[in-house]
Order: sequence, then structure tokens, then C-alpha cells
Amino acid sequence: QSVLTQPPSASGTPGQRITISCSGSSSNIGSNPVSWYQQLPGTAPKVLIYSDNQRPSGVPDRFSGSKSGTSASLAISGLQSEDEADYYCASWDDSLNGPVFGGGTNLTVL
Amino acid sequence: QVQLQESGPGLVKPSETLSLTCTVSGDSVRDYIWTWIRQPPGKGLEWVGDFDNRGGTDYNPSLKGRVAISGDTSKNQFSLRLSSVTAADTAVYYCARVDAAAYFDSWGQGTLVTVSS
Repeated sequence: QSVLTQPPSASGTPGQRITISCSGSSSNIGSNPVSWYQQLPGTAPKVLIYSDNQRPSGVPDRFSGSKSGTSASLAISGLQSEDEADYYCASWDDSLNGPVFGGGTNLTVL
Repeated sequence: QVQLQESGPGLVKPSETLSLTCTVSGDSVRDYIWTWIRQPPGKGLEWVGDFDNRGGTDYNPSLKGRVAISGDTSKNQFSLRLSSVTAADTAVYYCARVDAAAYFDSWGQGTLVTVSS
């Protein structure tokens, strides 16, 4: 059971906008920044969003992040087939004194 | 650009110790915080522990004192040791760099470690 809660799956059609939610608590998302990672099949995770809504250089602006209270969201606009992947949220947890992850959301592009 | 590469045995017997090394190039282990993260087959990510540039460490309490992370600045490496392993420790183990903004900005390709007799 992951500390952060994500829906196990999501889907959309090419060109569509989808969002993936990540729910936590006051000891993690509520008081610490959130990051998001994309994991393509058979590869290591890659950061998409850090500090709630910042994109590293090279990440397309189709990817955006937001946070409100103890929940965060990743939005992907202009969905493309290459976006099919697992997506994970992460945040520092003050009780654990370490980072925690969501269980991951498998995105299918129909 | 920093690159990380994990190395170590792919098969470990139950009750023995898992040992992995992460070799860093393009940056110094004296800088940043470095971490180990694992992913059981078909499952999500789990933080194992951190090693920082002052030699300090933090570990996931769920690993109950079985884990130790150390660094070798002369070889620009840091290592993971996990003792008394069971099948539940079977996973792909990743080493990664922790950015000052508290996110994992660079990852190794990962190495699968299977615990089996």
C-alpha cells in the first residue's frame, strides 16, 4: 500500500487532455513539494515535474503540474501515443523522514 | 551531463547480503545527495535510502536495520548493502541523484536483483 494514492489506470484518445491525481496528507503533499515521473516500459523513471509545477528543460509544455492542499495533479494535453507509460507522483514525508511515492498510474492512449 | 550505472550480482540467495554499487560520471559524489530506489516486478517505486556529501545516511524504516549505504569518493561511487534478504527483496534497484529541490533528476538504468536459492 503506497503512502500517496493514485488511480491505477487512466486512458485517453490522441489530442485529448487528461489528468492524473495524487492524494496524500499533511505530512507529505500538504507541506512538501511534489514531483512527477514518467516510466516508459523497461526503462528508468524520468522526471516530468518538480516543485509542484516546474518542468525541467526538455520536458514538453504539454505536461503540467498543480497542487492544492494535500492533493496534486498531473495534466497532459495534446495526448500522443508515445505518452503511454506509467506515471508516479512523489513527495517528501515528514513522518517517514524520507520520500514517498504513489502507486503509479498506467496511461493508455486509445 | 551526469550518468549513473548500477552494478552487482543479479542473483542472491535467501538470508544472504545483496550488494550493489553505483558509479557516477560527469559529477562528483561529494556534491548532492545520492539515493537508492527499488521497484519489485510489476509494482511501484520504493525509497531504500540516501547518502549525502558529508557521509550522512537516511534509510527507509521499513527495512528495519538491514540496509547500509556508503560512499567511496576516490572511485566516485556509492554502494548499497541489504542483509538477510528474502524473496520480497527481489526488485529492480535504481540509483539516482537528488536535486537540491528534492526530486530525483538523474537515474541509472536499473539492475534486477532476484533473491532465490
